[in-house]
Amino acid sequence: GEDVEQSLFLSVREGDSSVINCTYTDSSSTYLYWYKQEPGAGLQLLTYIFSNMDMKQDQRLTVLLNKKDKHLSLRIADTQTGDSAIYFCAEKSNQGGKLIFGQGTELSVKP
Amino acid sequence: DAGVTQSPTHLIKTRGQQVTLRCSPISGHKSVSWYQQVLGQGPQFIFQYYEKEERGRGNFPDRFSARQFPNYSSELNVNALLLGDSALYLCASSLVVADYGYTFGSGTRLTVV
Repeated sequence: GEDVEQSLFLSVREGDSSVINCTYTDSSSTYLYWYKQEPGAGLQLLTYIFSNMDMKQDQRLTVLLNKKDKHLSLRIADTQTGDSAIYFCAEKSNQGGKLIFGQGTELSVKP
Repeated sequence: DAGVTQSPTHLIKTRGQQVTLRCSPISGHKSVSWYQQVLGQGPQFIFQYYEKEERGRGNFPDRFSARQFPNYSSELNVNALLLGDSALYLCASSLVVADYGYTFGSGTRLTVV
């Protein structure tokens, strides 16, 4: 079946690194995504990784993909209070363009 | 360039009523998808349309329907509203069906009372 799981909460101090983890079940997924959602807002695409890559870096964001364990992580360096939001991991189903989302991880950044 | 636009931003309906939500994709994007996000959960896939044809459907009852117009905009209709239909409804557009880039709108917040 298709399922994406994330831990629900993460709290860090401003300036520290944050690591948000995600596991997925569909080994045929082609793309995996990280979206950010601020209160009352829609989804903002942060980054994505193609399934044949192990790592992708984009400024403060680093995505690591372990296909063997079906594990995806998002590392945010030098976390700021403006990074406080809910972060969603998503996989693109091999059935057309459907995205399957996790429950979201609420990141709280304390000054 | 305008992003994905959705209307209305908020609305309140009574149980049993019908509602129509609207979405305009990014210019040049031909595929529109609809997602339902209940409070505290991740978005759930409802429909995907491409070139006016349904290309995917999630596990939602027949009370949910959608269509896509020649200008690629889309409407989501929900009949016989239930309290459990209260959610944020998100529209995403992409160039084609299996594209890697999905851009979401800000959503329509539907409250059923």
